[in-house]
Amino acid sequence: EVQLVESGGGVVQPGGSLRLSCAASGFTFGNFWMHWVRQGPGKGPMWVSRINEDGAISTYADSVKGRFTISRDNAENTVYLQMNSLRVEDTAVYYCVRDFRIYDHWGQGTQVTVSS
Amino acid sequence: QSTLTQPVSVSGSPGQSISISCTGTSSDVGNNNFVSWYQQRFPGEVPKLVIYDVDNRPSGVSNRFSGSKSGNTASLTISGLQAEDEADYYCTSFTSSRTHVFGSGTKVTVL
Repeated sequence: EVQLVESGGGVVQPGGSLRLSCAASGFTFGNFWMHWVRQGPGKGPMWVSRINEDGAISTYADSVKGRFTISRDNAENTVYLQMNSLRVEDTAVYYCVRDFRIYDHWGQGTQVTVSS
Repeated sequence: QSTLTQPVSVSGSPGQSISISCTGTSSDVGNNNFVSWYQQRFPGEVPKLVIYDVDNRPSGVSNRFSGSKSGNTASLTISGLQAEDEADYYCTSFTSSRTHVFGSGTKVTVL
């Protein structure tokens, strides 16, 4: 069974940092692009970032570029999202997503709250 | 990256067909065939993929869902509308910048 389990969310003050993790199982992790998508309270989903199979290529939404960094460890079947300089508007549930196409699969999400 | 434009709401009676539009630009929807549609029945529910690559249905998704694209606008059609189809629907597209962008979302109401 394909599983994606996010962790690392929490409450942080503006300007703070958090590192999200997504542990994958049930499939060959190194064969897939991985993405982070977030959904703020009462809002639609927003794509955040993606990373290719070997970690050499990554892209970001304009609103997080320069603040967030995506990475992966294929030996540990885990993808990460390092979030720095957090803003109130980054408050959301953050989902780890596999592939975004035919092999699409989402985790259950982890809540990030940025508040003073 | 701008959000793709969707109608705020669409409604229909059981058994009817409805269509939801998703309008982008030549840099996203009009640039490639990587347009997907997601269904989200309740706030906090994980979005469910119902169409990928413009007009392909994932395994297990009802054939009442279909997708199409013309120029910078993609569309999701739900035929034989059922009460269980009541949900929020979001389109998403790959872009020329090698990013993805979601639509603004459409609330489908079954009358």
